[in-house]
Amino acid sequence: GQNIDQPTEMTATEGAIVQINCTYQTSGFNGLFWYQQHAGEAPTFLSYNVLDGLEEKGRFSSFLSRSKGYSYLLLKELQMKDSASYLCAAYNTDKLIFGTGTRLQVFP
Amino acid sequence: DGGITQSPKYLFRKEGQNVTLSCEQNLNHDAMYWYRQDPGQGLRLIYYSQIVNDFQKGDIAEGYSVSREKKESFPLTVTSAQKNPTAFYLCASSIPNAEQYFGPGTRLTVT
Repeated sequence: GQNIDQPTEMTATEGAIVQINCTYQTSGFNGLFWYQQHAGEAPTFLSYNVLDGLEEKGRFSSFLSRSKGYSYLLLKELQMKDSASYLCAAYNTDKLIFGTGTRLQVFP
Repeated sequence: DGGITQSPKYLFRKEGQNVTLSCEQNLNHDAMYWYRQDPGQGLRLIYYSQIVNDFQKGDIAEGYSVSREKKESFPLTVTSAQKNPTAFYLCASSIPNAEQYFGPGTRLTVT
């Protein structure tokens, strides 16, 4: 079967670091996407990992381990505007399989 | 400016009526997708199309229909057979093996 798991909610403090984990089980795996979605808006692309390892892009980094079926999104120097849902999605052959999303709340 | 447009942003219909949601892209992407999102949920794939005049069912295709007569357009019809049509509908497009770009979404309410 196909399954994507990520925590439902997380909280953090402004300026801190937070790690959002995602585990996946899917056949025909081609890579792992992370999207950010503010309430009532469309998702926006954050990162795409195909190979194992860490990809850094400014305050955001994403990690993938294909052998463990595991990924994480690391957000540094948190800002209030980072309060949003973060969606993990596995690329399966020709389509994305999305997790239910992690709602992150950043407090002052 | 290149992008994806969906209209309208909010749509209200009576139960038993079919309704068509529009999705247009000028990114020259071959692939287009329709998702449904319910409160507190992730995105679920309804239909997708990799090329003009061809489309495939996603995980929740029942009660929906699509067409892909032009590369730029991928309209979704929510039929009266869809049991719980009230939701946020998102359209996306992409080139193969790359990120999907999403439209602003249409929030459909059926009463």
